[in-house]
Amino acid sequence: SQQGEEDPQALSIQEGENATMNCSYKTSINNLQWYRQNSGRGLVHLILIRSNEREKHSGRLRVTLDTSKKSSSLLITASRAADTASYFCATGANSKLTFGKGITLSVRP
Amino acid sequence: SAVISQKPSRDICQRGTSLTIQCQVDSQVTMMFWYRQQPGQSLTLIATANQGSEATYESGFVIDKFPISRPNLTFSTLTVSNMSPEDSSIYLCSVRGGSGIFYNEQFFGPGTRLTVL
Repeated sequence: SQQGEEDPQALSIQEGENATMNCSYKTSINNLQWYRQNSGRGLVHLILIRSNEREKHSGRLRVTLDTSKKSSSLLITASRAADTASYFCATGANSKLTFGKGITLSVRP
Repeated sequence: SAVISQKPSRDICQRGTSLTIQCQVDSQVTMMFWYRQQPGQSLTLIATANQGSEATYESGFVIDKFPISRPNLTFSTLTVSNMSPEDSSIYLCSVRGGSGIFYNEQFFGPGTRLTVL
């Protein structure tokens, strides 16, 4: 069964705007990872945040984790047309990763 | 991060036949996994490929349908047997735990897009 639930399911923004995607989950986790997938190709690992971390940055990406609310957010700042893709959160527990359904992000030039 | 390659990248097969997908990693890794992504869906774990022993399958997946080999720490194969159109999916190899990689970071190969007619 899927652990993570992303929100919204689809997001359309203008180039230059920020994109915020949310992920909620149900059970305890060791870590949470965000991935990007372009047009049904392989997944690109974006960032991992551990359960004892609250915020992490990588370039234009900012990830937060609130274990009390069992939720995470991925912020992409100054979006580009090349950011158009599907984004997945995956929760790590018991040596396994469980994926959410994904968010489709469209960035209009 | 680990560099993962998969062969073939895509294939179109007839029902009733079998296809073996290969996954090669450029460095030794502790864990290797196989996932399936059905059209428009998320990823589902098929099994964990164990080096030198039988794979560990998730609920709903069986060895007769998806035999897996992992002869060493850099290579694994997944066979999709006796295929039907419902097996049309992207199959992805994934790895975790290797030199220079934070242990829990999990990386994915480019996927094999399978279409069964």
